[in-house]
Amino acid sequence: TQLLEQSPQFLSIQEGENLTVYCNSSSVFSSLQWYRQEPGEGPVLLVTVVTGGEVKKLKRLTFQFGDARKDSSLHITAAQPGDTGLYLCAGHLNDYKLSFGAGTTVTVRA
Amino acid sequence: NAGVTQTPKFQVLKTGQSMTLQCAQDMNHEYMSWYRQDPGMGLRLIHYSVGAGITDQGEVPNGYNVSRSTTEDFPLRLLSAAPSQTSVYFCASRTQMDGYTFGSGTRLTVV
Repeated sequence: TQLLEQSPQFLSIQEGENLTVYCNSSSVFSSLQWYRQEPGEGPVLLVTVVTGGEVKKLKRLTFQFGDARKDSSLHITAAQPGDTGLYLCAGHLNDYKLSFGAGTTVTVRA
Repeated sequence: NAGVTQTPKFQVLKTGQSMTLQCAQDMNHEYMSWYRQDPGMGLRLIHYSVGAGITDQGEVPNGYNVSRSTTEDFPLRLLSAAPSQTSVYFCASRTQMDGYTFGSGTRLTVV
């Protein structure tokens, strides 16, 4: 079983629509990260959230860390085809180990 | 600045063969890790290192060995390849405070 559960597993939307990806766990994390991965490449870090309740914005992407530091969400406004990819959340239980969720495959149709 | 370099990009092994996946970083990062990525399972931690001479096991260490003789290099050795080790392998490095920088991966097939 995954320590971090991501939902949905797949998401296909039309260009211009909004989407939200969820990352949930029963464990408390000292920090949580979101990565984006394109086919044939390694994941690329998008953001790190550290404080419970924290909200970070990266252009059209909004990341939120739950108050209890057990969950997080990624919201994309007005999605574009360039947002297509595999989105992965990852949490630090301690300073050394980073555990990943299974990922959400996002497809934005033109 | 090359970042994290993994070689080879593709490899086919026969069951029982051994091989080493190479990983090098030029960012002077303390932390390095090896992950494997399988469909529907995300990235699973194999081994990690917090500095030269220090390694530890992750979630799925069986069948793999690592060493960290220098800050830059963190090779992953498959002792006796099995079909269950067919996967995409990623090496990553970071400082204590930052997120990971990943290599572009090695796609391994064991037949």
